[in-house]
Amino acid sequence: DGGITQSPKYLFRKEGQNVTLSCEQNLNHDAMYWYRQDPGQGLRLIYYSQIVNDFQKGDIAEGYSVSREKKESFPLTVTSAQKNPTAFYLCASTRGTGELFFGEGSRLTVL
Amino acid sequence: GESVGLHLPTLSVQEGDNSIINCAYSNSASDYFIWYKQESGKGPQFIIDIRSNMDKRQGQRVTVLLNKTVKHLSLQIAATQPGDSAVYFCAENMEAGNNRKLIWGLGTSLAVNP
Repeated sequence: DGGITQSPKYLFRKEGQNVTLSCEQNLNHDAMYWYRQDPGQGLRLIYYSQIVNDFQKGDIAEGYSVSREKKESFPLTVTSAQKNPTAFYLCASTRGTGELFFGEGSRLTVL
Repeated sequence: GESVGLHLPTLSVQEGDNSIINCAYSNSASDYFIWYKQESGKGPQFIIDIRSNMDKRQGQRVTVLLNKTVKHLSLQIAATQPGDSAVYFCAENMEAGNNRKLIWGLGTSLAVNP
């Protein structure tokens, strides 16, 4: 079945470490997105990519980095520069018509 | 400014009753609106959408109403079931330069009592 796969589902990180969250889709969607979700808040856009080898910063890009070398893959790296990285991270993709398809999320906890 | 907000952060209903979740938006340039359902620990799932040239759209047990005059969006769930318990988000989609931008509300938690 087509869909979006995020991994790992749970991740623990020590302060000062970089971690990379994986996002893979087999929906043949051009656009992919990374959102951060904190308790009691809506989704906040970190980065998005509308086409391979191109990506743009969202509203809260500081401390994060991405790459888009393949259409199917849009990994997110949470760097040590991100001061408050503990959150639920959601990856999504779209054909471009509006509806976003989401993965199941990755919960990152900084120890 | 741009904002999408919800009138009620939590809603508790009895099983079998109808639920109404409200959403206010402030950007008149938004031309597309979406409702998502998010169960605990999972990613949001698309429920229903509506374009600004419509004022009502129906799906299976759900209806979305759009009132552009007062910038208000609502999601009606008929015969609410325990499986409907989740957080519901509205989102508005608008042109932002050469791109389209999706602005999310804070979410409403729906609890269905058996």
